[in-house]
Amino acid sequence: GQSLEQPSEVTAVEGAIVQINCTYQTSGFYGLSWYQQHDGGAPTFLSYNALDGLEETGRFSSFLSRSDSYGYLLLQELQMKDSASYFCAVRSETNAGKSTFGDGTTLTVKP
Amino acid sequence: GAVVSQHPSWVICKSGTSVKIECRSLDFQATTMFWYRQFPKQSLMLMATSNEGSKATYEQGVEKDKFLINHASLTLSTLTVTSAHPEDSSFYICSAESRDTFKNIQYFGAGTRLSVL
Repeated sequence: GQSLEQPSEVTAVEGAIVQINCTYQTSGFYGLSWYQQHDGGAPTFLSYNALDGLEETGRFSSFLSRSDSYGYLLLQELQMKDSASYFCAVRSETNAGKSTFGDGTTLTVKP
Repeated sequence: GAVVSQHPSWVICKSGTSVKIECRSLDFQATTMFWYRQFPKQSLMLMATSNEGSKATYEQGVEKDKFLINHASLTLSTLTVTSAHPEDSSFYICSAESRDTFKNIQYFGAGTRLSVL
C-alpha cells in the first residue's frame, strides 16, 4: 500500500518562515502535490513536484527528493491568512494514478 | 485557475430521504472527477472516481448502492446519497482533473455539508 506522514500541527509567527515536511511510502511514484484548506472551505492547489528539486511560486515553495521519498512545503513571510490546513498528496501506480492525501498539517500563524 | 461548482453547499434532510449533490466543471472538460468525504479535522477520504461515460470506481468499504455516482457529461458528475442516515452526515467534496494539465491538478468544489436528522 502507500502511506504519507506529515506533522499534525505547526505554529509560527507572522513574518517567519515555516517548513512542513511530508514523507511517503509508495511504488511507481508519479508526483507530490500540496493543497491548502481553510476551515470550512475547499482544498486549493498550491504546487506539484514530479522531479527532484525546488518549485517556487511566490511566497510558497515546494521541494521533492524522490530518492528519500520526502518533500516539503516552505512558506515564507507568513501572514495571518496562511493559517490553514496543508495536505500533501501523492500520485502513484499503487493507487492507479489517483491522489492519496496525508492527514494534513494545521498551521497556526500568531501575531 | 479552473473553476468547479458544487451544489448545494449545505443541506439538511430527514433520515431515509435521498440527497443529490452536483459537481460541475465550469470552464474545462473533466474526464475524471473524484468524490471525497471529510470528517472534522481529518483528511480527505476518497470515496469514488467518476469517469465520464462509464461506471464509477468505488474505494474499498464504500457502498456503491448507497452512494450513487453518475458522470453523464464531461462537465457534470452527481453523487446521490440514498436513504440517508445520521451517520452519513459529513462534508462531501468533489474535485475534477483537467485533461489539459500535465500536473494533474485537482480543482475542488466548495463542498457540501450534509446533516441528516
